[in-house]
Amino acid sequence: EVQLVQSGAEVKKPGESLKISCKGSGYTFTNYWIGWVRQMPGKGLEWMGIIYPGDSDTRYSPSFQGQVTISADKSISTAYLQWSSLKASDTAMYYCARHGTTVTNPADYWGQGTLVTVSS
Amino acid sequence: SYVLTQPPSVSVAPGKTARITCGGNNIGSKSVHWYQQKPGQAPVLVIYYDNDRPSGIPERFSGSNSGNTATLTISRVGAGDEADYYCQVWDSSSDHWVFGGGTKLTVL
Repeated sequence: EVQLVQSGAEVKKPGESLKISCKGSGYTFTNYWIGWVRQMPGKGLEWMGIIYPGDSDTRYSPSFQGQVTISADKSISTAYLQWSSLKASDTAMYYCARHGTTVTNPADYWGQGTLVTVSS
Repeated sequence: SYVLTQPPSVSVAPGKTARITCGGNNIGSKSVHWYQQKPGQAPVLVIYYDNDRPSGIPERFSGSNSGNTATLTISRVGAGDEADYYCQVWDSSSDHWVFGGGTKLTVL
């Protein structure tokens, strides 16, 4: 059974750093793209970026380029989304999602989401 | 950057057919995917490549795509279909995914 299990909710202060995770199981992690999606409170889905764990090929939305870093550790089948300096506006639910073996395949499995709250 | 436009809301009576549109410049030349998101839950893929259904998605869900509009059609709508629906395409000119703004489906 394909599963994406995300790390737990985080409460951080502005300026702090953060790295959240998404662990894949039930499939060959290195062969499928993993994407990240932001959902701010009461708002729609925003695509942030995507990574191919096999070779760490990464693409970013222009809106998030330079604001976050997407990475993966294929030895433990885990993808990451990280911030070096959080802002209050980063408060949101973040989802990881498995795409297919090519970057243009849709997201067929989703993690449960990680709620990030940034507040002083 | 490619823009997808969805109506903010669609209302339909139980048992009727709901149609949710997704507009984009020459969207008919792209593959459109649709996601359903119920409150407090992660999105679920309901239609991919314009009109294919993942296993487990009822036949009541179908899609079409032509010209500047893609449409998600849900027939015999029930209370369990109340959710937000998002369209998505791959923008090959900029190498990234794009979501529509989402449509809230209300069953009257």
